[in-house]
Amino acid sequence: GDSVTQMEGPVTLSEEAFLTINCTYTATGYPSLFWYVQYPGEGLQLLLKATKADDKGSNKGFEATYRKETTSFHLEKGSVQVSDSAVYFCALAYPGTASKLTFGTGTRLQVTL
Amino acid sequence: SQTIHQWPATLVQPVGSPLSLECTVEGTSNPNLYWYRQAAGRGLQLLFYSVGIGQISSEVPQNLSASRPQDRQFILSSKKLLLSDSGFYLCAWSVGDRVAYEQFFGPGTRLTVL
Repeated sequence: GDSVTQMEGPVTLSEEAFLTINCTYTATGYPSLFWYVQYPGEGLQLLLKATKADDKGSNKGFEATYRKETTSFHLEKGSVQVSDSAVYFCALAYPGTASKLTFGTGTRLQVTL
Repeated sequence: SQTIHQWPATLVQPVGSPLSLECTVEGTSNPNLYWYRQAAGRGLQLLFYSVGIGQISSEVPQNLSASRPQDRQFILSSKKLLLSDSGFYLCAWSVGDRVAYEQFFGPGTRLTVL
């Protein structure tokens, strides 16, 4: 079946450092890919998405490119802030009536001053 | 605009007691609805989803059940809670005909079973 693998956390960075959170997937078809973010004590928010190969999703300085050849969707940000501290989830879903999301296990990011 | 509500926000229940968590969506019609559970330090597990009133699909066998009595209302229930039911329960909705098929999540209910 389909699956999403994320790098183990926690990831601890100093403010203004460069961020990469790796995400790879196994899929039988051509899913859409997503990054969700969960701030402490809250639900998940969609951060960015890409619906086909070579698409780049971007939002709030974060970017991720849908790489079909490497089955990857790595999340990057050039300069992180303390307010980016959260848990980040990579996920995939197929077009369809139910569009169920398959999530990775999440990567906790801690940004310090 | 669309909003999603969950209640209660937190709940502490003894083992063996019943459970009812409610989720409602405003500002859209005929949404797909989902219940997820997030155990401490772990990822999200899809429990149930619904594509219409009275239509419930279960992803994981357990002592929980779900119901959708109205178009924008989704209820998660249990007759007898187990310790392993503790976790953060998230409701989400999506529109089935959107190309990107993103889901929108509620604020969650933190359940502690003692």
